[in-house]
Amino acid sequence: QVTLRESGPALVKPTQTLTLTCTFSGFSLSTSGMCVSWIRQPPGKALEWLARIDWDDDKYYSTSLKTRLTISKDTSKKQVVLIMTNMDPVDTATYYCARISRCVVGSSWHFDYWGQGSLVTVSS
Amino acid sequence: QTVVTQEPSFSVSPGGTVTLTCGLSSGSVSTTYYPSWYQQTPGQAPRTLIYSTNTRSSGVPDRFSGSILGNKAALTITGAQADDESDYYCVLYMGSGIWVFGGGTKLTVL
Repeated sequence: QVTLRESGPALVKPTQTLTLTCTFSGFSLSTSGMCVSWIRQPPGKALEWLARIDWDDDKYYSTSLKTRLTISKDTSKKQVVLIMTNMDPVDTATYYCARISRCVVGSSWHFDYWGQGSLVTVSS
Repeated sequence: QTVVTQEPSFSVSPGGTVTLTCGLSSGSVSTTYYPSWYQQTPGQAPRTLIYSTNTRSSGVPDRFSGSILGNKAALTITGAQADDESDYYCVLYMGSGIWVFGGGTKLTVL
C-alpha cells in the first residue's frame, strides 16, 4: 500500500527558509523509474507544480520558482525534502507530495498517489 | 509562460452530462501532453480520475471519461451525481520534467 505524508512547520516568518519532509511507504525511490513531486495550493486557489526528484537523483523545478527551491531525497529513510527560501506571505499554501506513476519514456506522467497535505502559513 | 486554461465554473443538473475542458493559452492540447484530471473536495487531497487522456484510475466510476475534443483535453461526466460536486483540475506534462496545472473548474450539481 502506497502512502505519503507531509510534515513541517505550520508557521514560518517572511524571509525564512521552509523545510518540508515527505515520508513515504509502499515503494522505494531507489527503484528505477520512481519519482516524487511537490505540489502546492494556496487557500482557495489552484494547484501549482513545484519540483520533482527521480530515483537516479535527477531534479526538476518550476521555472518560476527554481531559484528558491531545492529538492532532495534520503532513500534509506524513505523521505523527500523540499526547501524553499525567502518565504513570503504569498507562499501560504497547503503543500502536497505526490508520487508519479513512472518517470521513464513511455510513462503516463501522472500523479497516482498523494499525501494529505501540510498547511504552511507565512506570517510575521 | 505556458498557461493551462479551464472554465472557472460549471453547473450541471443531477443526471445530466457535462464536459469540462483543458486548453493551452498558445497551441493545442494533444495526447503527447499526457493530460490527467483530478477531483478535489474541500479540505481533501486531490483524487486521480483520468490519466493519459482517457484512462480511468482504479476505482473511478465509468461515468467519468476523458478525451481530446478539438484542441483541448476534455473530462466528461455522464449522469452527474450530487457527490460529483467538486473542483476539477487538469494538468499537462510539458516535457523536460515539468507539469503545469490548470486553474481548476468548480462544478456545481443542482
